[in-house]
Amino acid sequence: NAGVTQTPKFQVLKTGQSMTLQCAQDMNHEYMSWYRQDPGMGLRLIHYSVGAGITDQGEVPNGYNVSRSTTEDFPLRLLSAAPSQTSVYFCATRDGPSEAFFGQGTRLTVV
Amino acid sequence: ELKVEQNPLFLSMQEGKNYTIYCNYSTTSDRLYWYRQDPGKSLESLFVLLSNGAVKQEGRLMASLDTKARLSTLHITAAVHDLSATYFCAVDWGARLTFGEGTQLTVNP
Repeated sequence: NAGVTQTPKFQVLKTGQSMTLQCAQDMNHEYMSWYRQDPGMGLRLIHYSVGAGITDQGEVPNGYNVSRSTTEDFPLRLLSAAPSQTSVYFCATRDGPSEAFFGQGTRLTVV
Repeated sequence: ELKVEQNPLFLSMQEGKNYTIYCNYSTTSDRLYWYRQDPGKSLESLFVLLSNGAVKQEGRLMASLDTKARLSTLHITAAVHDLSATYFCAVDWGARLTFGEGTQLTVNP
């Protein structure tokens, strides 16, 4: 039982490159979310999903896309990376409106 | 838009002392969570508060929720070095979980 698995753990991108951050869960939770964490700003919600086929924008969605084709997976796509997207990204799952369980995070640097 | 504010943002305290972290939020909600984060690590759930007047305790930490005042507190009793970490509150709003900025706690010998 792995819980919430994020890959990769570390990534360096050049400005303008695209990439996908992966998030997989084996807890059969309905809700999945992506957050970014920057110093002094807590966690800010990028996108979230309440079930397969349903996604919505959070506070800071610009520059990111998501899709949810299965309950287990919720990938986050950076379309054209910018230095402002340098951050630590966390994926979280919830069994409906309840506490969240977090992956280990992906540390992304855009140069 | 729900806003969640924590204070203080930085807290340096001596071992053995007591202190309280405050979490205020702007929109009605009766579900609030506290998390702990160690440097370079992920977030770990501490408390789940699901109704007005809820109080939970674990070791030297006690959390409470006043939904009428839109306020939660995290009280630290007789702090020890192992409690040094960043603490976040998070408020449930529909399907969204909104976090405060975090309180970085340092407990000094």
